[in-house]
Amino acid sequence: EAQVTQNPRYLITVTGKKLTVTCSQNMNHEYMSWYRQDPGLGLRQIYYSMNVEVTDKGDVPEGYKVSRKEKRNFPLILESPSPNQTSLYFCASSFAWTGRLEFFGPGTRLTVL
Amino acid sequence: DAKTTQPPSMDCAEGRAANLPCNHSTISGNEYVYWYRQIHSQGPQYIIHGLKNNETNEMASLIITEDRKSSTLILPHATLRDTAVYYCIVRESGAGSYQLTFGKGTKLSVIP
Repeated sequence: EAQVTQNPRYLITVTGKKLTVTCSQNMNHEYMSWYRQDPGLGLRQIYYSMNVEVTDKGDVPEGYKVSRKEKRNFPLILESPSPNQTSLYFCASSFAWTGRLEFFGPGTRLTVL
Repeated sequence: DAKTTQPPSMDCAEGRAANLPCNHSTISGNEYVYWYRQIHSQGPQYIIHGLKNNETNEMASLIITEDRKSSTLILPHATLRDTAVYYCIVRESGAGSYQLTFGKGTKLSVIP
């Protein structure tokens, strides 16, 4: 089944404790991206990747890192999480970039205390 | 990318057509209209997109006015599972910024 998976789905952590949210797709998609969703602010892009070893900042990259060492994986790294990073996070992927994000992951709900 | 305006909420009776409007009066000639929906905290789902001609797929129809300043997403026979927030997005395809800018969308409630 074609899909984007994210892990964990739910995470409660404390300020400053490094964490990684994994994202994996099984469709050989070149393009992957991360969004966060907050009440009243909609979905905002954090980082995106056009292909392996090619990543770039979205609208709200501060406090996040990403890497794209393999085509299928695009982990989101929070080196020192803070409470303002409490949010719902979505990974997405598509064939190249056509404006059509074909697949979104199920979301990761992160709470930073 | 051009800005879009959508009503914050709409109701639709189950089995009837749901017509969701979107205004994009500043759209430029090479910008497409995309529609996505998000069902209660799930990941957004692509529905349809178009440039100037009307489009139809298995999920919905997209009607774009001749001047391209507005469009309507039509769900021909709404079901309870169509209750969701619907986002209208305008952007260039394949160029420029590599992202979709989601606004606040329209919360569609399908009523039994």
